[in-house]
Amino acid sequence: GDSVTQTEGLVTVTEGLPVKLNCTYQTTYLTIAFFWYVQYLNEAPQVLLKSSTDNKRTEHQGFHATLHKSSSSFHLQKSSAQLSDSALYYCALTLSSGSWQLIFGSGTQLTVMP
Amino acid sequence: DMKVTQMPRYLIKRMGENVLLECGQDMSHETMYWYRQDPGLGLQLIYISYDVDSNSEGDIPKGYRVSRKKREHFSLILDSAKTNQTSVYFCASSYWGNYAEQFFGPGTRLTVL
Repeated sequence: GDSVTQTEGLVTVTEGLPVKLNCTYQTTYLTIAFFWYVQYLNEAPQVLLKSSTDNKRTEHQGFHATLHKSSSSFHLQKSSAQLSDSALYYCALTLSSGSWQLIFGSGTQLTVMP
Repeated sequence: DMKVTQMPRYLIKRMGENVLLECGQDMSHETMYWYRQDPGLGLQLIYISYDVDSNSEGDIPKGYRVSRKKREHFSLILDSAKTNQTSVYFCASSYWGNYAEQFFGPGTRLTVL
């Protein structure tokens, strides 16, 4: 079936250092859209990035991600982590099946330490 | 102001009681969703609604039902709540289409004793 995998449940990084959150997927559909959602403590998830174009870098709030269909990946990266980046991050995709359902990964809790 | 609202924000019920969670949106979105969020499991889709009286089961519909009689309002009902339904419930809405961003409400923390 269709699935999204986030291999790290917890990531801890020191402020100012780079961070990378991994996301890979499996699907049999050809047309897909990808999202990174961020959820701050006691808040609702909100979209951080979205993309549907292969090999195109998408950026927002200092984060960037590039969809690579050849490796089925949409990793999230930031060159210099900030304390305020501490949050739960979800990778998600939608399919061309017409159901409009988001398929979420299990989430990665990012903690940025001073 | 575009937003999704949820009521109540916190709820404590006893096992066997009925539960009604309410969700509203002011963006005229056709599609609305109910999720539950549990540690380590992420966001799991309970039901999706494509418009008024057009609802489909998500991944974990057992023990839940929904009602959508107006486009801006979507309810989640638990008949005879169980302790394993203790969770945080999120409602979301979006325009139809697979590139549509989902907007989430603030969540309802439900505890079933």
